[in-house]
Amino acid sequence: DGGITQSPKYLFRKEGQNVTLSCEQNLNHDAMYWYRQDPGQGLRLIYYSQIVNDFQKGDIAEGYSVSREKKESFPLTVTSAQKNPTAFYLCASSVGRKDTEAFFGQGTRLTVV
Amino acid sequence: DQQVKQNSPSLSVQEGRISILNCDYTNSMFDYFLWYKKYPAEGPTFLISISSIKDKNEDGRFTVFLNKSAKHLSLHIVPSQPGDSAVYFCAASAFPTGTYKYIFGTGTRLKVLA
Repeated sequence: DGGITQSPKYLFRKEGQNVTLSCEQNLNHDAMYWYRQDPGQGLRLIYYSQIVNDFQKGDIAEGYSVSREKKESFPLTVTSAQKNPTAFYLCASSVGRKDTEAFFGQGTRLTVV
Repeated sequence: DQQVKQNSPSLSVQEGRISILNCDYTNSMFDYFLWYKKYPAEGPTFLISISSIKDKNEDGRFTVFLNKSAKHLSLHIVPSQPGDSAVYFCAASAFPTGTYKYIFGTGTRLKVLA
């Protein structure tokens, strides 16, 4: 089955710790994205990558880092510099061409205590 | 600066009636628009899209209308069913600019009453 897998579904971390969220896709998509959802704020773009070994900051990149060493994988690290890390994180991918849609994973709920 | 806006946070509709969800955008470079449906604690699922060269796209009970001059699009669901109850996100993209990203609105929570 082709799709996007995010793991884990729920993640708890202590304040001040870095944490890495996994995102893997087997759709052979070139482009991958990380969004964050907070209540009443919609989906806000954190980072995106059009191709392997290349990525760009989205609207709220501060306190986050990513890597794109493989086409299938786009992990997101939430660092201790992120002021409000508790949120629902969504990974997506697309073929990266005009007039095509993005497909989303099931999300990871990160809670920092 | 919110480039894609959904000004109605919630909407309630009776089963069988039409649901109309609205979306406005500010960036005239957007040329592809999408609607996603989302249940709590799940990822959004793609519903329907429209290219800027069209003003209407239909798929079963779902129709999206685009008014480029007003920078406005709407999603019509008819007839509405209780299973349609979810949060609906409008999104826009502007791939010709090379940015390869999707910008989302804040969502509208639709409740279809049985």
